[in-house]
Amino acid sequence: RKEVEQDPGPFNVPEGATVAFNCTYSNSASQSFFWYRQDCRKEPKLLMSVYSSGNEDGRFTAQLNRASQYISLLIRDSKLSDSATYLCVVNSPRDSNYQLIWGAGTKLIIKP
Amino acid sequence: DGGITQSPKYLFRKEGQNVTLSCEQNLNHDAMYWYRQDPGQGLRLIYYSQIVNDFQKGDIAEGYSVSREKKESFPLTVTSAQKNPTAFYLCASSKGVVNYGYTFGSGTRLTVV
Repeated sequence: RKEVEQDPGPFNVPEGATVAFNCTYSNSASQSFFWYRQDCRKEPKLLMSVYSSGNEDGRFTAQLNRASQYISLLIRDSKLSDSATYLCVVNSPRDSNYQLIWGAGTKLIIKP
Repeated sequence: DGGITQSPKYLFRKEGQNVTLSCEQNLNHDAMYWYRQDPGQGLRLIYYSQIVNDFQKGDIAEGYSVSREKKESFPLTVTSAQKNPTAFYLCASSKGVVNYGYTFGSGTRLTVV
């Protein structure tokens, strides 16, 4: 079982719709959580950190459920420019340190 | 503007050659990382460094080497011992190891010819 799992998609969504992704992680000692966005053949860019109380940034809402060990990302009123791959990232203990463990990503395609 | 610069953007290597990928940051970040990305897979950690003159192996260090002689610079050498080096290589930096997001360079796409 992978440490961080995501549905690879693609999710094909009409413009203006709401879309949600989930991501599960296996290590209950994980400390911090992030969503990154990666455009085709580009580097990942931090979209938002995910806090225990949930957090919102404009049209984007991130939630963390520690009991069930998953994080989610909700995108409201989706735009064509939201088309990208969304990477779930979890900071987990590894040996005597912490490492970011990356999901393989969920591809989102917004259609006009 | 602060950021991370990776060079070159594209690199072609003949079998048996060593090649070095450059990574420079002016963000004053202590920690730097090298990742490899293959299609359909998450980023995999090659090496990381939390402080000058110190670095640690990641999950897939075999066939790679690094140095951290300056805070700003963290070059990666892909040696001939790396049997499948064709991939997208990403360098990143962060303020610390825990609870900080990473800033990435624009990547180097390495192809073996």
